[in-house]
Amino acid sequence: DAGVIQSPRHEVTEMGQEVTLRCKPISGHNSLFWYRQTMMRGLELLIYFNNNVPIDDSGMPEDRFSAKMPNASFSTLKIQPSEPRDSAVYFCASNSGTGAFGTGELFFGEGSRLTVL
Amino acid sequence: KNQVEQSPQSLIILEGKNCTLQCNYTVSPFSNLRWYKQDTGRGPVSLTIMTFSENTKSNGRYTATLDADTKQSSLHITASQLSDSASYICVVKRGSSNTGKLIFGQGTTLQVKP
Repeated sequence: DAGVIQSPRHEVTEMGQEVTLRCKPISGHNSLFWYRQTMMRGLELLIYFNNNVPIDDSGMPEDRFSAKMPNASFSTLKIQPSEPRDSAVYFCASNSGTGAFGTGELFFGEGSRLTVL
Repeated sequence: KNQVEQSPQSLIILEGKNCTLQCNYTVSPFSNLRWYKQDTGRGPVSLTIMTFSENTKSNGRYTATLDADTKQSSLHITASQLSDSASYICVVKRGSSNTGKLIFGQGTTLQVKP
C-alpha cells in the first residue's frame, strides 16, 4: 500500500512568494495532520482534520498560513506571502481510528523541505 | 504544563555498543506513549507503543520501558548498527482513547560510528 504522499519534496522560493504544499493521505484514514519541524522547536502541530473537517488550527502561526481538505484524498497547506522564518520541513501525516488521534500512531509522509530566501 | 523532555539531546556510540535514551513526561491524563524513529530526510515511523499497564516491550533490538509512577520511559538499543543512526522521538498521547492530543519530545539524535 502507498504511504502518505507529499509534494514537492523540496521547494526553494523567494520571500513574498506563495507556496503550496500538497498531501495525499493513506486511503481509508480519516484524520490528516500538518506538522512543521525545525531544529529549534522540533515537530509542531499546525492543523488537523477529521473526516475532512478542520478540528484545530490553533497551531497555525498566523494568517499567512491556510490549509484545506476538499476531499478525503487530498489536502493543501498554503503560505502567502512566505517569509524566511517559514523555512522548515513540513510533514503531513494521517491515521485512522476512534477520535481524531486514534491510538496515537501517525503515518508520516517524507516531508516537504521549504527554503525561503 | 503538559511536556515531554528527552535526554540526551544527542549521542554518539560505536557500532555494536548498547545505549539507552530517556523520556520524562508531565502529561496528564496519560493515554499512551510511543517511540518514533526518524531517519535523516524521512518522516518519523512508530517503533513501539506503551500503555499504562505495560512495563517493558521489545521490538527486535529495541526495548522500551515505562514507569507510570515516575512518568519516565526509556528506549534501550542493543548491539547497535549503523542503521540505528537516526532521531528518536518520544510522543505521549494525552486524554482518553477517544480524545486528546499528542505531545512530542524534542528528540534524541543518535549517531552510530563504525
